[in-house]
Amino acid sequence: SQTIHQWPATLVQPVGSPLSLECTVEGTSNPNLYWYRQAAGRGLQLLFYSVGIGQISSEVPQNLSASRPQDRQFILSSKKLLLSDSGFYLCAWVEQGGNQPQHFGDGTRLSIL
Amino acid sequence: DAKTTQPNSMESNEEEPVHLPCNHSTISGTDYIHWYRQLPSQGPEYVIHGLTSNVNNRMASLAIAEDRKSSTLILHRATLRDAAVYYCILRAPNNAGNMLTFGGGTRLMVKP
Repeated sequence: SQTIHQWPATLVQPVGSPLSLECTVEGTSNPNLYWYRQAAGRGLQLLFYSVGIGQISSEVPQNLSASRPQDRQFILSSKKLLLSDSGFYLCAWVEQGGNQPQHFGDGTRLSIL
Repeated sequence: DAKTTQPNSMESNEEEPVHLPCNHSTISGTDYIHWYRQLPSQGPEYVIHGLTSNVNNRMASLAIAEDRKSSTLILHRATLRDAAVYYCILRAPNNAGNMLTFGGGTRLMVKP
């Protein structure tokens, strides 16, 4: 069966520090991968998606970047965090093609001090 | 993807049925109607989806209006664990990235 792992679950970082959040998927191959952010009390905002290794599409301009070094690994990064980067970060995957549902990880709660 | 409109919040009593409405008057003929829910401090989880016919699964039922301009997610017997934000999302089949666009959803509160 397919599983998705996100870590860490919570993270507290100072302003200006770097960030690396990792997401891995098991039990499937060549999935589409996504990073979403959810600010406190708000809806989910799509940040990045990827349809293959090294292929990244950005949905909103921001202080963050994404990379997909392997088929089932998706990384969210920042060189210098801002206060506005605080939020709940969610990774998701879906099988390519058709109308398959997206499957979400448990999320990383990021607090910037 | 076309826009959906949902009430901000709804209340239900435990063990009673819940009907969560969604309006999507600008839906195109090929858009699928998807429902997800998000429990507190968790990622969203898929509930159900459909195109034209009503759909049932172990979690819920989806009733789609004949003109497809609205749909209703039905939880047959609400439990406390069903308290969550429910999102109604339209997804076009030619959506290259298979993306989902989340709106504000409906916050369902279940009273014991």
